[in-house]
Amino acid sequence: DAGITQSPRHKVTETGTPVTLRCHQTENHRYMYWYRQDPGHGLRLIHYSYGVKDTDKGEVSDGYSVSRSKTEDFLLTLESATSSQTSVYFCAISESYGTGFGAEAFFGQGTRLTVV
Amino acid sequence: GQQVMQIPQYQHVQEGEDFTTYCNSSTTLSNIQWYKQRPGGHPVFLIQLVKSGEVKKQKRLTFQFGEAKKNSSLHITATQTTDVGTYFCAARERSNDYKLSFGAGTTVTVRA
Repeated sequence: DAGITQSPRHKVTETGTPVTLRCHQTENHRYMYWYRQDPGHGLRLIHYSYGVKDTDKGEVSDGYSVSRSKTEDFLLTLESATSSQTSVYFCAISESYGTGFGAEAFFGQGTRLTVV
Repeated sequence: GQQVMQIPQYQHVQEGEDFTTYCNSSTTLSNIQWYKQRPGGHPVFLIQLVKSGEVKKQKRLTFQFGEAKKNSSLHITATQTTDVGTYFCAARERSNDYKLSFGAGTTVTVRA
């Protein structure tokens, strides 16, 4: 498996509190992604990064922010957690983009977040 | 919304039978990737298709990219219990191929 570590692996938090999930990679890959997985919706892209300090929104970015100050770390913050943000969150990395070699994504083990 | 639509959402298969899952887009895709997620696990890359009409095989799995690069299929022959899981297609748009979007997946169960 690619060197991707997500932390924490499990978290229970209260509605209205901020939460930060961390994705750490040791592969030196430029591209990083945050997805959430919910039954019936598959994997939905929250935010992605194409370099240090370069990030953009995905399909379901409302209520989430990200930061990437170093190549190896991509942080996802729920500014004020809501019950609708209860989900499994996956981080992924890729070496390149487009159609070339290395464009496939490697996933972390996931973080199960419950907002009560 | 999601860029690619997958059908069916669920596939219940008798062991030994064949099945096909489909991935469709309203826009022309730069490429298509397929992933498999075992129950309780994380998605794992299977294959990437880039060329119009491309067909690739991995043992009992056959992947196809449509001529117009708007659809793709995954066909599994002689299904085994090891094929259980959720299969996702993922795609990058020509207008922004930094962004990798996934379909909703096809969840496969196998009756022994």
